[in-house]
Amino acid sequence: NAGVTQTPKFQVLKTGQSMTLQCAQDMNHNSMYWYRQDPGMGLRLIYYSASEGTTDKGEVPNGYNVSRLNKREFSLRLESAAPSQTSVYFCASSDWAGRGGEKLFFGSGTQLSVL
Amino acid sequence: QKEVEQNSGPLSVPEGAIASLNCTYSDRGSQSFFWYRQYSGKSPELIMFIYSNGDKEDGRFTAQLNKASQYVSLLIRDSQPSDSATYLCAVSENAGGTSYGKLTFGQGTILTVHP
Repeated sequence: NAGVTQTPKFQVLKTGQSMTLQCAQDMNHNSMYWYRQDPGMGLRLIYYSASEGTTDKGEVPNGYNVSRLNKREFSLRLESAAPSQTSVYFCASSDWAGRGGEKLFFGSGTQLSVL
Repeated sequence: QKEVEQNSGPLSVPEGAIASLNCTYSDRGSQSFFWYRQYSGKSPELIMFIYSNGDKEDGRFTAQLNKASQYVSLLIRDSQPSDSATYLCAVSENAGGTSYGKLTFGQGTILTVHP
């Protein structure tokens, strides 16, 4: 069982270049998320998709766009990369844990450097 | 702005001791509370969640919640070197009845268990 699969694992971009981070989950989860993790700042939500066909902004959406392609896939696009977008990006999907809320399952992450 | 605060550490404990990790949150509407463990260079994985005041035990781990004080903690009994990791506290406002949840993460506490 692969869980949440992210590609690529590493990427180096020049300022102004564009790229798309791919994410797929095989757990039949409805909700998917993109987080970024910076040193000393924890994980911050960029965008999320509560269900297929819907997307919404999180805490730090500027400079990003997302596409929920189908129930399995949720991609994150950087249209014009900036050095401030250098970070580790995690895709996640979630499973309903009852009254405890949603349990997140994370992909292995993408280390992105923007020069 | 919802905030989740953790002591970044590092917290160093000897093998076999109890490690105590603490977290405070600012939003009184928060309903569910999560502890994730993240090994260096890896993705976060869920250890425990709690939504009712009091203690919740799972093996060597105990989560404690005090909503009046807006405080949640994680105790690790009989700490092992394999417990050395960053522990992330996360808070959700989702009380249930919806199919998704957004988490606000603390910056994480680095725990080192030395032999």
